[in-house]
Amino acid sequence: GENVEQHPSTLSVQEGDSAVIKCTYSDSASNYFPWYKQELGKRPQLIIDIRSNVGEKKDQRIAVTLNKTAKHFSLHITETQPEDSAVYFCAARNSGGYQKVTFGTGTKLQVIP
Amino acid sequence: DAMVIQNPRYQVTQFGKPVTLSCSQTLNHNVMYWYQQKSSQAPKLLFHYYDKDFNNEADTPDNFQSRRPNTSFCFLDIRSPGLGDAAMYLCATSRPGGRDNEQFFGPGTRLTVL
Repeated sequence: GENVEQHPSTLSVQEGDSAVIKCTYSDSASNYFPWYKQELGKRPQLIIDIRSNVGEKKDQRIAVTLNKTAKHFSLHITETQPEDSAVYFCAARNSGGYQKVTFGTGTKLQVIP
Repeated sequence: DAMVIQNPRYQVTQFGKPVTLSCSQTLNHNVMYWYQQKSSQAPKLLFHYYDKDFNNEADTPDNFQSRRPNTSFCFLDIRSPGLGDAAMYLCATSRPGGRDNEQFFGPGTRLTVL
């Protein structure tokens, strides 16, 4: 089955700096890679996603890159703000009929004002 | 407008007393998922339905069962809750194919076992 590894587990940055979170996956059949932000006590919220036929996607301060050959993808947050502080999860979903989603272990991001 | 609804939002049960959590969706999505999330951990997939096809994860305890009587509703039954089953239970839906790959999460049900 799919295995998704995520690093780092915790990340502290100064406000205004950039943050990068990296994930690797094992199943070459995975073709959809969402990133979720989860604030304490709340549901995971999709912040950006990328499909396997795309190498990079950007949405304002957030960008995701995907390297299919190396089976890794990364989340980049620029100009971080205190409200970016949360736990971030990467995930991979297979292309088969059963739509199984496998989550990474999470990164706790703290943005220091 | 709520798209994935979970009831109740908070559930307290006693050790060994069966409990049922419910999830409903207004999105008409084919796939519904149940996840268990413990503090500081990633959501752990328990099982999911693709239409009526049920897919159980290999490490989901037998104590957990699920029912999907129709497209809109899905239930999680915990037959004999133990202290280790205290967690947030998240329901999610998705629609395979097309451009819409997103998985929509409900607000979760926080289960406390006394």
